[in-house]
Amino acid sequence: GAVVSQHPSRVICKSGTSVKIECRSLDFQATTMFWYRQFPKQSLMLMATSNEGSKATYEQGVEKDKFLINHASLTLSTLTVTSAHPEDSSFYICSARDPAANNEQFFGPGTRLTVL
Amino acid sequence: GENVEQHPSTLSVQEGDSAVIKCTYSDSASNYFPWYKQELGKGPQLIIDIRSNVGEKKDQRIAVTLNKTAKHFSLHITETQPEDSAVYFCAAIGGGFKTIFGAGTRLFVKA
Repeated sequence: GAVVSQHPSRVICKSGTSVKIECRSLDFQATTMFWYRQFPKQSLMLMATSNEGSKATYEQGVEKDKFLINHASLTLSTLTVTSAHPEDSSFYICSARDPAANNEQFFGPGTRLTVL
Repeated sequence: GENVEQHPSTLSVQEGDSAVIKCTYSDSASNYFPWYKQELGKGPQLIIDIRSNVGEKKDQRIAVTLNKTAKHFSLHITETQPEDSAVYFCAAIGGGFKTIFGAGTRLFVKA
């Protein structure tokens, strides 16, 4: 199947700083990517839908000014956690739909964010 | 709103036994039902999926069944092995292309 990568895999930062996470579709072009957040022993919670060339669509309760999403190309979406706080510590996972594979959704390996 | 319920939350089986995980969905427009396996510290991996025009699909030791009338679908793993131990998520996708995940089932396969 198609491959989606994320970078970095782990990041530790201080409170108040910003962190950028990259999501790339390696062998296909993705017009739509998704960003999820997962707390320990819980399911994936959709944060936002990232559309190439347009603004992201955020789920209810997700602050768009805190979680900045940029989908600058058909293979790259970035999530920036601004002014991070300890409660932002979580596992962030992106996914991308492959239009050539019946819009099957492929997930990245996730990024573990720890805010001190 | 749209919802997917998944049971059980935890499942422990002996190696070689079968494991069954069940999900129900609320959105009647849902037409695609993937199952994901997530190992610790990793992203979910698609293991099998089924579309609304099919009632059953099998891939080696894994099978999925779908009952559209009851809005119910299940994952069946036969001849379980220790490496099957992971968290499994069901999901439903409708016309809005939004994936709704179940809460997950933690499967333990005891050797």
